[in-house]
Amino acid sequence: DAGITQSPRYKITETGRQVTLMCHQTWSHSYMFWYRQDLGHGLRLIYYSAAADITDKGEVPDGYVVSRSKTENFPLTLESATRSQTSVYFCASSDPSTQETQYFGPGTRLLVL
Amino acid sequence: SQELEQSPQSLIVQEGKNLTINCTSSKTLYGLYWYKQKYGEGLIFLMMLQKGGEEKSHEKITAKLDEKKQQSSLHITASQPSHAGIYLCGARYNNAGNMLTFGGGTRLMVKP
Repeated sequence: DAGITQSPRYKITETGRQVTLMCHQTWSHSYMFWYRQDLGHGLRLIYYSAAADITDKGEVPDGYVVSRSKTENFPLTLESATRSQTSVYFCASSDPSTQETQYFGPGTRLLVL
Repeated sequence: SQELEQSPQSLIVQEGKNLTINCTSSKTLYGLYWYKQKYGEGLIFLMMLQKGGEEKSHEKITAKLDEKKQQSSLHITASQPSHAGIYLCGARYNNAGNMLTFGGGTRLMVKP
């Protein structure tokens, strides 16, 4: 399907486990973003990528790792999950050559026990 | 983000009533984006404002950007249950990349 997709949509894991959240977009947008959404904090940027093999930290990067070997994919890995990483994670993409918006995926709800 | 404040944090209105949500920036905006999020879903883009004094409408939703480009309002006329959700504003502060800073969101409930 065209657009931006995230998988899994729901995930339950335990403290200390490694978890990878997937994000895939079909528009060939150069920019991709990972956010977390928590009550009282709104959307906070974790990492972003301006192009394949180029990534940079956002506001809350600690405990997360990203990679971008292909333009269309931008996985987010929690190397050793903690309860504070329980959240809803959103991936987004955008085309910087236009003034257009960021396009968001449906989100992944992660619960760390 | 403290750079971008939304008010109110939550709002309950009776169906048919008008309402306004505000988004205030501590810095001059390059662009301001409004999104709606239905509970449990992703963000849907509503409108983008860039010019001081600009106003855009989509169906019963109107967004304005003030002349100083530091405040935007989202106005819903004759609210309906379908308007319920979380409204977020996103600020763009420069022309580099497509980085956005988001406000805390406004939760809207519309009582039938």
